[in-house]
Amino acid sequence: GENVEQHPSTLSVQEGDSAVIKCTYSDSASNYFPWYKQELGKGPQLIIDIRSNVGEKKDQRIAVTLNKTAKHFSLHITETQPEDSAVYFCAAREGSGGSYIPTFGRGTSLIVHP
Amino acid sequence: GAGVSQSPSNKVTEKGKDVELRCDPISGHTALYWYRQSLGQGLEFLIYFQGNSAPDKSGLPSDRFSAERTGGSVSTLTIQRTQQEDSAVYLCASSSGSSGRYTGELFFGEGSRLTVL
Repeated sequence: GENVEQHPSTLSVQEGDSAVIKCTYSDSASNYFPWYKQELGKGPQLIIDIRSNVGEKKDQRIAVTLNKTAKHFSLHITETQPEDSAVYFCAAREGSGGSYIPTFGRGTSLIVHP
Repeated sequence: GAGVSQSPSNKVTEKGKDVELRCDPISGHTALYWYRQSLGQGLEFLIYFQGNSAPDKSGLPSDRFSAERTGGSVSTLTIQRTQQEDSAVYLCASSSGSSGRYTGELFFGEGSRLTVL
């Protein structure tokens, strides 16, 4: 089955700095890579996703890059703000006719200091 | 509300007792997932329901865990003879399934926090 590794487990930055979270996956059949943000006491919420036919996707201050050859993908947050503080999860899923069950990484706790 | 609803939000039980956790998915969503979130362990897949297909139970950690989904909507996760290591947050999510409108997004509830004493 799929295995997703996520690093770092904790990331502390100053407001305004950039933050990068990295994930690797094992199953070359995976073709969908979402990122979820979980605020304290809430369920995870999708913030951005990327499919295997593109290498990069941006949405305002967040971007995701994908390297299918190396089987890794990254989340980039620029100009971090205190409200970005949360736990971020990456995931990988194979979905073309197969299971639609995403495998999640262990999460990164991002702390943005004002 | 239009979101995924889970109950109870918090449950404290004694070791050996049975517990039931309920999930009410978004109306019209055909796929329903249960995940377990333990401290520092990320999101551990438990079980997946898709429409009328047989559920994928490959993530259930032991035969003390079971789940059902009645009428393609509400789901109940049951843990029998609870153990202290069952303490975790149990998250339910739904999605529009594998139809042409499927985007891949899972919509999570706020979870049920289970504490086994």
